[in-house]
Amino acid sequence: QMQLQESGPGLVKPSETLSLTCTVSGGSMNSYYWGWIRQPPGKGLEWIGLIHLSGTTYYNPSLKSRVTMSLHVSENQFSLKLTSVTAADTAVYYCGRRMAVPGGWFDPWGQGTLVTVSS
Amino acid sequence: DIQLTQSPSFLSASVGDRVTITCRASQGMNNYLAWYQQKPGKAPRLLIYAASTLQSGVPSRFSGSGSGTEFTLTISSLQPEDFATYYCQQLSSYPLTFGGGTQVEIK
Repeated sequence: QMQLQESGPGLVKPSETLSLTCTVSGGSMNSYYWGWIRQPPGKGLEWIGLIHLSGTTYYNPSLKSRVTMSLHVSENQFSLKLTSVTAADTAVYYCGRRMAVPGGWFDPWGQGTLVTVSS
Repeated sequence: DIQLTQSPSFLSASVGDRVTITCRASQGMNNYLAWYQQKPGKAPRLLIYAASTLQSGVPSRFSGSGSGTEFTLTISSLQPEDFATYYCQQLSSYPLTFGGGTQVEIK
């Protein structure tokens, strides 16, 4: 059964770059989209972006100018970079697999990692 | 962007109750809607996809229905482990969006 695990610094300073990695185990990265979703403490879910094996990316327009996603298939990983962070970027960040079919859903998700933006 | 409005945002119910949560979209969409359950400190768990298809392993007391702009998640008989927050998500167009969530608590 496929599992996803986020990793990266739990504390990032304002104006710096948040970098996270999602490691995929128990299956191939082929034929899926890979995505990031975040959840500020006590709030709802926000979709950040998706990347496909072809290199195609889709980003939330609200974050697009600051987001870069990359795939590292040989390592069974994909990554997220978010630049110029502020306190508003403090959240639990989840990675997830999106089925590559019309209307594809997210499953499974990683357990999430809390990133705090603070000096 | 397709905005999703969930109602109610909070509901208090008893074990055994039938519970219905509604998700309304700001514009008509394909039936590309998913429902997730989230418990405190945990990642969301997929319950329903394509508006009405039950994910493998999810109890049959959960069901989804709807089309166009109105979708519902129904729990036929609420169990103690069902107390959680539920989110809908539209997968019809970018940007993908979530509803604001419905917190289900014990009465």
